Amino acid sequence: DQQVKQNSPSLSVQEGRISILNCDYTNSMFDYFLWYKKYPAEGPTFLISISSIKDKNEDGRFTVFLNKSAKHLSLHIVPSQPGDSAVYFCAASALPSGGSNYKLTFGKGTLLTVNP
Amino acid sequence: NAGVMQNPRHLVRRRGQEARLRCSPMKGHSHVYWYRQLPEEGLKFMVYLQKENIIDESGMPKERFSAEFPKEGPSILRIQQVVRGDSAAYFCASSPYSDSGANVLTFGAGSRLTVL
Repeated sequence: DQQVKQNSPSLSVQEGRISILNCDYTNSMFDYFLWYKKYPAEGPTFLISISSIKDKNEDGRFTVFLNKSAKHLSLHIVPSQPGDSAVYFCAASALPSGGSNYKLTFGKGTLLTVNP
Repeated sequence: NAGVMQNPRHLVRRRGQEARLRCSPMKGHSHVYWYRQLPEEGLKFMVYLQKENIIDESGMPKERFSAEFPKEGPSILRIQQVVRGDSAAYFCASSPYSDSGANVLTFGAGSRLTVL
């Protein structure tokens, strides 16, 4: 039962163009979403997040869009750089009342390759 | 300021042996989490610990797996009588104290367990 799905195992883009990574979820209780980036032999590194009360969050070259009705979120990277080449994981959690969202549900990841 | 430190980075065990994975959280972080990534899968939550307390072990297999975070020293994830299906990357994460709200986890580089 995969509650967070990243249907594209890989994506290849040219340097300077836009990278769009997609993520779908099935659990309507999820209300906080994160993107992590992972280089080989390293741990996942937090990139950007969005709560369900927003539909967009931007941080420099990275923007996350959330469509709650479609249970879909996407990460846009503009412009893409070769150093962005990594595996990108979408993660989601349900914020319990009075608690913190430590229990993240991850997708399987999308390998992004940015070609010079 | 060192990040989350995990060791060993690679561990090879034969079936039936014990595996011990260690994790030192980031300085100032009092919460530790263990996640497991099986081949071709996303990370899956295993357990959440604070000093001397297991807060949530709902993701831990019921047998052979245990975790602790003693008053002094690193957190330990212990797997007894390992089987081939335990082969995976085990990631530790930590976070500062937060009793509510969004919580960004900082991950270590992981310990890769191979069971022969």
